[in-house]
Amino acid sequence: DAGVTQSPTHLIKTRGQHVTLRCSPISGHKSVSWYQQVLGQGPQFIFQYYEKEERGRGNFPDRFSARQFPNYSSELNVNALLLGDSALYLCASSLVGGSGNTIYFGEGSWLTVV
Amino acid sequence: QKEVEQNSGPLSVPEGAIASLNCTYSDRGSQSFFWYRQYSGKSPELIMFIYSNGDKEDGRFTAQLNKASQYVSLLIRDSQPSDSATYLCAVMDSSYKLIFGSGTRLLVRP
Repeated sequence: DAGVTQSPTHLIKTRGQHVTLRCSPISGHKSVSWYQQVLGQGPQFIFQYYEKEERGRGNFPDRFSARQFPNYSSELNVNALLLGDSALYLCASSLVGGSGNTIYFGEGSWLTVV
Repeated sequence: QKEVEQNSGPLSVPEGAIASLNCTYSDRGSQSFFWYRQYSGKSPELIMFIYSNGDKEDGRFTAQLNKASQYVSLLIRDSQPSDSATYLCAVMDSSYKLIFGSGTRLLVRP
């Protein structure tokens, strides 16, 4: 069975540009979350979606946005990129969005902003 | 501010020994607890998931949870060089998002 798939795996952008990252959850999973991991730190929560509705948002500026599609895949968009946005962006998939569910991560998208 | 604390390490153990990784958390309302292994340059891989007080065993791994002390640990028996990685402790808060520690780097010496 396919795990959580993310694309692209690596990308380089220039300051001020826009980026879209994509995620397909494990088949049957309806909840998708996004996390940002900078070097030397644990992942930080950005968004959670369940059944196409936003269920949570972390402490990130409005430049970050996301959505979930009817097939449960998801996009993370970041506008007006800053050097500090360089990080590993992780998509997490779970069956539902609540307690008691295991959460699996994709391989991540490595974003470098120059 | 909800926090998850881990010793950054590195924790160095000889091959075949037991590695003990520890994590404390601040939110008493936390219900689910996760251990992820992360190799350098890779994404986190789920190792253990526990939500009840006590021990949970899976192969060489044992997770221990003590909600009264707000403490969760991971024991790795018969440690192998391939276990060398960063181990991330994560706690699910009341809004179902994961709060991560900064990770403990484990080094298993051949």
